[in-house]
Amino acid sequence: NAGVTQTPKFRVLKTGQSMTLLCAQDMNHEYMYWYRQDPGMGLRLIHYSVGEGTTAKGEVPDGYNVSRLKKQNFLLGLESAAPSQTSVYFCASRNDYSPYEQYFGPGTRLTVT
Amino acid sequence: RKEVEQDPGPFNVPEGATVAFNCTYSNSASQSFFWYRQDCRKEPKLLMSVYSSGNEDGRFTAQLNRASQYISLLIRDSKLSDSATYLCVVNGGFQKLVFGTGTRLLVSP
Repeated sequence: NAGVTQTPKFRVLKTGQSMTLLCAQDMNHEYMYWYRQDPGMGLRLIHYSVGEGTTAKGEVPDGYNVSRLKKQNFLLGLESAAPSQTSVYFCASRNDYSPYEQYFGPGTRLTVT
Repeated sequence: RKEVEQDPGPFNVPEGATVAFNCTYSNSASQSFFWYRQDCRKEPKLLMSVYSSGNEDGRFTAQLNRASQYISLLIRDSKLSDSATYLCVVNGGFQKLVFGTGTRLLVSP
């Protein structure tokens, strides 16, 4: 049982490049979330999903897109990376029974130059 | 004003000490409260929920003061392994979480 995994772990992008971050969970959780964590800002919700085929905007969705084509995977895309998107990105999931216990992946450290 | 505010610290304490952190929240309608722990360069993990009557989990005690809108975490008999950042978390509507920026704790020998 791997829990929540994220790929890649690290990435350096140039401004304007695109990339996709992959989150996978093997706990059969319905809910999945993408956060970013910046110094002094705490974790901020980018997008979330309440089930396969659904997505919704969080607090800071601009510049990101997401897809949840399969229940176990939640993809975060950056179409045209900007230096302001330099951050640590965490994916999380949770089950229906514990609405506030989220299980986080190990994070992706992204630098945009 | 941030929805959840915490003193960033760091709190430097010797092993065996008792240390307490507070956190304030701005939304009086918030119903659920938690402490998460985040080790350096790792993901956050749920430490404990905070109940209205206060609750303990071993050396950790969490308390809620709704009137003043603050939450506290008390750690007794600090261990080196308690060194981490402690995130105060409040429910933010539709079962979403609002995270504080965290309080850093350093326990020294």
